[in-house]
Amino acid sequence: EVQLVESGGGLVHPGGSLRLSCAASGFNFSRYNLNWVRQAPGKGLEWVSIMTFSSTTDYADSVRGRFTISRDNAKNSLFLQMTSLRAEDTAVYYCARDWAGRPLDYWGQGTLVTVSS
Amino acid sequence: EIVLTQSPATLSLSPGERATLSCRASQSVSSYLAWYQQKPGQAPRLLIYGASNRATGIPARFSGSGSGTDFTLTISSLEPEDFAVYYCQQRSNWPLITFGQGTRLEIK
Repeated sequence: EVQLVESGGGLVHPGGSLRLSCAASGFNFSRYNLNWVRQAPGKGLEWVSIMTFSSTTDYADSVRGRFTISRDNAKNSLFLQMTSLRAEDTAVYYCARDWAGRPLDYWGQGTLVTVSS
Repeated sequence: EIVLTQSPATLSLSPGERATLSCRASQSVSSYLAWYQQKPGQAPRLLIYGASNRATGIPARFSGSGSGTDFTLTISSLEPEDFAVYYCQQRSNWPLITFGQGTRLEIK
């Protein structure tokens, strides 16, 4: 069974940092692209970042230069290092996989990040 | 950036009725259009990919159509569990993803 489990969310002050993790199981992790998607409270979905199976990365303009995505294929894990956090970064952060650019077919349950003083 | 506009914002229907949800792209996305369903407190679930292909395990009452800039998600006969928020998504300019703002399907 494919599973994606996010962790690392919490309350952080504006300007602070946080590292999210996503533990994967049930599929050949190294062959998939992995994405972060977020959802602010009561709002829609916003794609944040991707790390492809070949370790290419890209980011939404709203987080470029502040967030860094990485993965550890040996540990079947995806990470998102978030710095210079702002109130508008408050959201549930989901990790989701795709294969060869196809849509996001499996998602984790999400982890809540709250940026507030 | 390609913008996806969904309509209506809210759709009020009764179980057994037919639902038609629209997604319009600001420029052509070919057939790189997917639909997701999201229920409160849950992650989104992939329904349709490639504009018209049902994802694994998705009931036949869900269908997608369209290409280029105009797309439709149809639910032929609404079941109680279908009331949720629906998002369209495009990835024609790899690897960037954009989502529509969502359509809330509520019980009338």
